[in-house]
Amino acid sequence: GAVVSQHPSRVICKSGTSVKIECRSLDFQATTMFWYRQFPKQSLMLMATSNEGSKATYEQGVEKDKFLINHASLTLSTLTVTSAHPEDSSFYICSARLGPSSQPQHFGDGTRLSIL
Amino acid sequence: QKEVEQNSGPLSVPEGAIASLNCTYSDRGSQSFFWYRQYSGKSPELIMSIYSNGDKEDGRFTAQLNKASQYVSLLIRDSQPSDSATYLCAVNQETSGSRLTFGEGTQLTVNP
Repeated sequence: GAVVSQHPSRVICKSGTSVKIECRSLDFQATTMFWYRQFPKQSLMLMATSNEGSKATYEQGVEKDKFLINHASLTLSTLTVTSAHPEDSSFYICSARLGPSSQPQHFGDGTRLSIL
Repeated sequence: QKEVEQNSGPLSVPEGAIASLNCTYSDRGSQSFFWYRQYSGKSPELIMSIYSNGDKEDGRFTAQLNKASQYVSLLIRDSQPSDSATYLCAVNQETSGSRLTFGEGTQLTVNP
């Protein structure tokens, strides 16, 4: 149980392109979903927390207009990297949680984004 | 002081040995603790959750929690080369609301 699907797994695109990443909880309804990015040899950096039907809460230093998050249903959240530039290249990982904060987060497989 | 601190490693153990991974946290009000394993280039996967003081065993893995000492550990018995990965300690700190606070991770290598 607790399967989280993330798509696509890898994206290579030109600078200025907008990229959309989907995160789905397959066998449970996720009350909360999270978006992280991870640079090589570093730990996870939380970008934002989203709850279904409400606006995402962004971490300090994360640009809301740059990283658009939509959490349209209890099983789907999307992250759109708008007008991506090479510095946005990173490993983006979503996670989903069923229930309160005492419950674990379950991670998707991640999306490796490369901007040329 | 970091909120969640782990041995920086890398930690290297021979196959069949016990690997011991340690983690300390700063928020005394923390109630939920998790260990994740992350293979190189992959996303984290949940190994153990622990909420109460003492030991919790699941197969070759044992998580230990001591809230008085603000310490949580993960023991891996009969270590296998396939256990080679980075292990992340994660804490739901009372001061962090809904978020998990992750340690920097300990890289474990199990040598055949």
